[in-house]
Amino acid sequence: DAGVIQSPRHEVTEMGQEVTLRCKPISGHNSLFWYRQTMMRGLELLIYFNNNVPIDDSGMPEDRFSAKMPNASFSTLKIQPSEPRDSAVYFCASSPQFGGGEKLFFGSGTQLSVL
Amino acid sequence: AQSVTQLDSQVPVFEEAPVELRCNYSSSVSVYLFWYVQYPNQGLQLLLKYLSGSTLVKGINGFEAEFNKSQTSFHLRKPSVHISDTAEYFCAVSGSGGYNKLIFGAGTRLAVHP
Repeated sequence: DAGVIQSPRHEVTEMGQEVTLRCKPISGHNSLFWYRQTMMRGLELLIYFNNNVPIDDSGMPEDRFSAKMPNASFSTLKIQPSEPRDSAVYFCASSPQFGGGEKLFFGSGTQLSVL
Repeated sequence: AQSVTQLDSQVPVFEEAPVELRCNYSSSVSVYLFWYVQYPNQGLQLLLKYLSGSTLVKGINGFEAEFNKSQTSFHLRKPSVHISDTAEYFCAVSGSGGYNKLIFGAGTRLAVHP
């Protein structure tokens, strides 16, 4: 299995631009998570989908952030408009079980830099 | 709600020396505990987990951790480290059962020197 696939690996953009991060979960996994990692705040959960439905979006910072999961094999995290404080590594993770539990598999992350 | 405190942000150690990375948690309910490792430019990988049963759990790469309920700790240990163990280590906690968000500690950077 190819694992969780994220694209792009690196994204550099200017403040105010729209940014779209993409994730392909492991086939057969019905839970998908988006995390953000920063030096200041560590690793924090942004949103959790189960069977393509958002279950927990309490970690989404503000309305500039949105996430979708149109089908079981694809999810996007969009930031519009982007701001320098959004600079971080964004991880996608998937799991074959509800809530993730001990079966959480991470992608390699997208390094986002907003100038 | 749960929280995790990793007491050391950085731990330098010489190769073949023992190491302990400290983790304390707080929770009002039963918990699951985890250690993840993150190598440079990679995602997190599960190192080991405590769900129930024996309080001493063994993971990959020779690491082990001990769940101590009275001290609310889950410290990670390795008797002899290698250069390749240089990485960031995260302790995490979740409630047991159902949907329980995984809460991560701030991480400990382990630097193994020759």
